[in-house]
Amino acid sequence: EAQVTQNPRYLITVTGKKLTVTCSQNMNHEYMSWYRQDPGLGLRQIYYSMNVEVTDKGDVPEGYKVSRKEKRNFPLILESPSPNQTSLYFCASRGTGLAETQYFGPGTRLLVL
Amino acid sequence: DQQVKQNSPSLSVQEGRISILNCDYTNSMFDYFLWYKKYPAEGPTFLISISSIKDKNEDGRFTVFLNKSAKHLSLHIVPSQPGDSAVYFCAAIETTGANSKLTFGKGITLSVRP
Repeated sequence: EAQVTQNPRYLITVTGKKLTVTCSQNMNHEYMSWYRQDPGLGLRQIYYSMNVEVTDKGDVPEGYKVSRKEKRNFPLILESPSPNQTSLYFCASRGTGLAETQYFGPGTRLLVL
Repeated sequence: DQQVKQNSPSLSVQEGRISILNCDYTNSMFDYFLWYKKYPAEGPTFLISISSIKDKNEDGRFTVFLNKSAKHLSLHIVPSQPGDSAVYFCAAIETTGANSKLTFGKGITLSVRP
């Protein structure tokens, strides 16, 4: 079954404690990205990756890091989380064709105290 | 600056009637448009798309209309069913861009009353 998986699904942490949210896809997709969803703001892109070792900033990259060492994995790293990073996070992947659609993971709900 | 706008936060319709969800965009470079559906505790799932060279695309109960001159698209659901109750996101892509990222609207919550 084609899918994007994220872990953990729920996370409560404290300000400044480094955390990583993992993302993995089994569709051999080149393109992966991270979004955050906030009330009244919709989905905003944080970072994206066109392929292994190729990453770039999206619209709201501040406070986040990513890496793409393998094609299937695209972890999101918060080196020093702050309360304004409390949000719902989605990982997504897609192929390179024009008609390709993005497949989204189930989401990670993060609360930073 | 919101490039994709869904100005109505919610819509409630009776089962069996038509649901019309609207979306406006400001970036004339967008050339591909998509609608995503999202249930609580799940990620968005692709529903239907349309290229800027078309003005209509139909898939079962779902039809998307595109009016390029007005920079407006709409999703029609006929007939609406209670299972259609979800948040619907309009999204757009500038396919010639380096990122080809999806730019999303804020979403609209559709409630279909039995």
